[in-house]
Amino acid sequence: DVKVTQSSRYLVKRTGEKVFLECVQDMDHENMFWYRQDPGLGLRLIYFSYDVKMKEKGDIPEGYSVSREKKERFSLILESASTNQTSMYLCASSSIRGPFPSGANVLTFGAGSRLTVL
Amino acid sequence: DAKTTQPTSMDCAEGRAANLPCNHSTISGNEYVYWYRQIHSQGPQYIIHGLKNNETNEMASLIITEDRKSSTLILPHATLRDTAVYYCIVRVEAGTASKLTFGTGTRLQVTL
Repeated sequence: DVKVTQSSRYLVKRTGEKVFLECVQDMDHENMFWYRQDPGLGLRLIYFSYDVKMKEKGDIPEGYSVSREKKERFSLILESASTNQTSMYLCASSSIRGPFPSGANVLTFGAGSRLTVL
Repeated sequence: DAKTTQPTSMDCAEGRAANLPCNHSTISGNEYVYWYRQIHSQGPQYIIHGLKNNETNEMASLIITEDRKSSTLILPHATLRDTAVYYCIVRVEAGTASKLTFGTGTRLQVTL
């Protein structure tokens, strides 16, 4: 089965702390994504990556950075956490290869990491 | 990308068909319609997608109107486990990473 694993299901951090959210996929997917989800706002894309060491800004990249040193791992970094970054964070991956419908827009999501910043 | 419009919420009795509508009147010729759902406390799950023709898989059926301006996701025999938020998205099927934009979806409540 296709799997996207997020390292922490729940985290509580203090304002100003550096936070790492890790995501690993075992499907050899090229593309990886970080979204955040807030009530009433749906899922919003923070960053995505289509290759190792490559990254692209999504719709709300401010206050975040990412790292993709290996194909299977995509990390989201909050350099100095703030209370408005309290949210559910979702990692996803997809492949550009394979027959229909295994296209680039078929995302497999992890279970999510709920971050609370106090 | 074309925008989509979905009802905020719907109810369905268990065992009945759940028909979830989506309007995408500005869809362009090369944009696919995707459906995902999100069960409480889980990440979204891919259900189905299509371009012009109706599609069916083990989870659901997708009916796209001839003018492609709207579509309907059908869960033929809804169960309590189908209670979730359902997202309709339109996007070009591309060979590179694509930013899928999720709206707020339709909250489907399946009841006894």
